[in-house]
Formats: sequence, structure tokens, C-alpha cells
Amino acid sequence: GDSVTQMEGPVTLSEEACLTINCTYTATGYPSLFWYVQYPGEGLQLLLKATKADDKGSNKGFEATYRKETTSFHLEKGSVQVSDSAVYFCALFGGSQGNLIFGKGTKLSVKP
Amino acid sequence: DSGVTQTPKHLITATGQRVTLRCSPRSGDLSVYWYQQSLDQGLQFLIQYYNGEERAKGNILERFSAQQFPDLHSELNLSSLELGDSALYFCASSVRGTLNSETQYFGPGTRLLVL
Repeated sequence: GDSVTQMEGPVTLSEEACLTINCTYTATGYPSLFWYVQYPGEGLQLLLKATKADDKGSNKGFEATYRKETTSFHLEKGSVQVSDSAVYFCALFGGSQGNLIFGKGTKLSVKP
Repeated sequence: DSGVTQTPKHLITATGQRVTLRCSPRSGDLSVYWYQQSLDQGLQFLIQYYNGEERAKGNILERFSAQQFPDLHSELNLSSLELGDSALYFCASSVRGTLNSETQYFGPGTRLLVL
């Protein structure tokens, strides 16, 4: 079945460091891909999405490109801030139920 | 603030009991989803309702049930609770729930602790 694999955390970075969180997927067809972020004590918020191959989603300095050839949707940011500390979830819309399938999440901690 | 509201925020109960979680979707959204987030299973889709009708079912236990009311709010009923049901339960909503690209907006969650 459809699935999402993302890099294990936690990831600890210093402020202004570069961030990459790897995400790969297995799916039939061409699912839409999403990154959600969960700040401490809060629900999930959509960070960005891409709906077809080679689409680039971007928001708040974060970017991810839908790569069909490598079945990947890696999240990147050039310079992280302390306020980016959160858990990041990669997800695809698919599966036999036709719904969001999430990776296990990657916890990011950014130190000043 | 996503516009999705969930009550209660926290719930503590005992094994064997029954609880009801409530969700109000964003204004204008017809589709409601329920997810369970636990440390061992991660985020798992439970069930989806669209305009009062069940549309999709995921890894939902038979002890769990849900419904969506005419005003579009939804309730998730958990019965014969077990320790392993302790988790964060999220509700999400979207406009129609039929499109691959449609964004789901999540509520703040209900944290359930079964003792």
C-alpha cells in the first residue's frame, strides 16, 4: 500500500543553519504531497504542498520539490530560526481509503 | 487558528469507560476527518464523513464510532476503553474531501488518557 518514509529525528541545528528533512514515498498513481508542521501543544498546520511532478511548494522560507523520478519530497530551508522548532510531517494523499498518509514525523530543535 | 474546534482539550478516564469527542469544522467545510496520534503508531486516519455520510474508513476499531450531524459538527465515540487508546485525537476538515489536492485543516486535538 501507499506509504511515506521520512528521516528519523530528532534533528538539532544552530540558528541560521541549513535544514533538509528527507521524505520519500511509495504510491500508485500521482498523489499530492504535503508537509505539515506541529508546534508544541498545537495541532497540525499545513506548511506547503505540491500536486504534480516538478511542482515546488514554498512557504515561510521552506521549500520542497515533487520529484517523481526519485519519489521524493524533501523539505529545505536555507536559514532556520529558533521559532522553527517543531515536528514536521510529510504526507501524501492516497491509499485505499483515499486519505492523508503521514510519515512518522521529524522533530527539529533549533538552538540560539 | 485553523478554524476547526475540538472539545474537550483533555480527557482522563478509566479502562472500560466510554467517551465522546466533539469537533466543529471550519465554516463552509463539508468534510470531517478523524485521526489518532500515538507514540507507537504515529498519525493514523480513522474515518471521514462528508455532509453527514460516512465516506471513508481507515484503521478504526470496532469499539470506536463516529457521526456527523446536520449542522456538520462531528462526534467520535470511543467505548470499552483500553490503556492503549491513550492518544491525541485530531479532527480535520476540508471543503469537499474529494480532491487529491485538497488541504485538510486540523483542530488542536483532544488528549485522551486512559488509566
